[in-house]
Amino acid sequence: DVKVTQSSRYLVKRTGEKVFLECVQDMDHENMFWYRQDPGLGLRLIYFSYDVKMKEKGDIPEGYSVSREKKERFSLILESASTNQTSMYLCASRGTGLSITDTQYFGPGTRLTVL
Amino acid sequence: GQQLNQSPQSMFIQEGEDVSMNCTSSSIFNTWLWYKQDPGEGPVLLIALYKAGELTSNGRLTAQFGITRKDSFLNISASIPSDVGIYFCAGQLTNAGKSTFGDGTTLTVKP
Repeated sequence: DVKVTQSSRYLVKRTGEKVFLECVQDMDHENMFWYRQDPGLGLRLIYFSYDVKMKEKGDIPEGYSVSREKKERFSLILESASTNQTSMYLCASRGTGLSITDTQYFGPGTRLTVL
Repeated sequence: GQQLNQSPQSMFIQEGEDVSMNCTSSSIFNTWLWYKQDPGEGPVLLIALYKAGELTSNGRLTAQFGITRKDSFLNISASIPSDVGIYFCAGQLTNAGKSTFGDGTTLTVKP
């Protein structure tokens, strides 16, 4: 059974704090992704990684960084949280094959509130 | 870049009715995916389509990969209240890298 887990379901932080969102997948997928989701704006890609230590900017990377030291783990970092980063954050992973287990799967999401 | 047009944006239907939604693209894809997202949760994969013209069912759900490879539709038959949520389509062009997502169809089912 494929599984993507995120470290927190709900998180409340203060403006200026450094925030770490962790994501782990157990499917040996090469690709991992971080999205944010806001009402009316769909899924917006922040960063993705196609291999360990590799990363590429998505559509809205400003204010975020990422880290992928191990294949199964992809971290999203907010260096100095701001109120406009209050959002739902979704992690996903995807393999490079064409079987159903290589399809893109999402984690349960982290609802981040920045006060 | 690639964009997907998903329609309708929202639907309000009566329990028991059938539902149809679709996605179109100006570019071809070689995989189409359909997800459902419940409130406060991450999207869950419903159906994956890998071949142009393919028609696949999953219970009351049926999805098709358009013959031109530029569109896909999802049908839900005999809707029930737990069908409520946001449905996303996604296209993948290669077997690695980013997927392209539609903006979602929000489904409301009235008992």
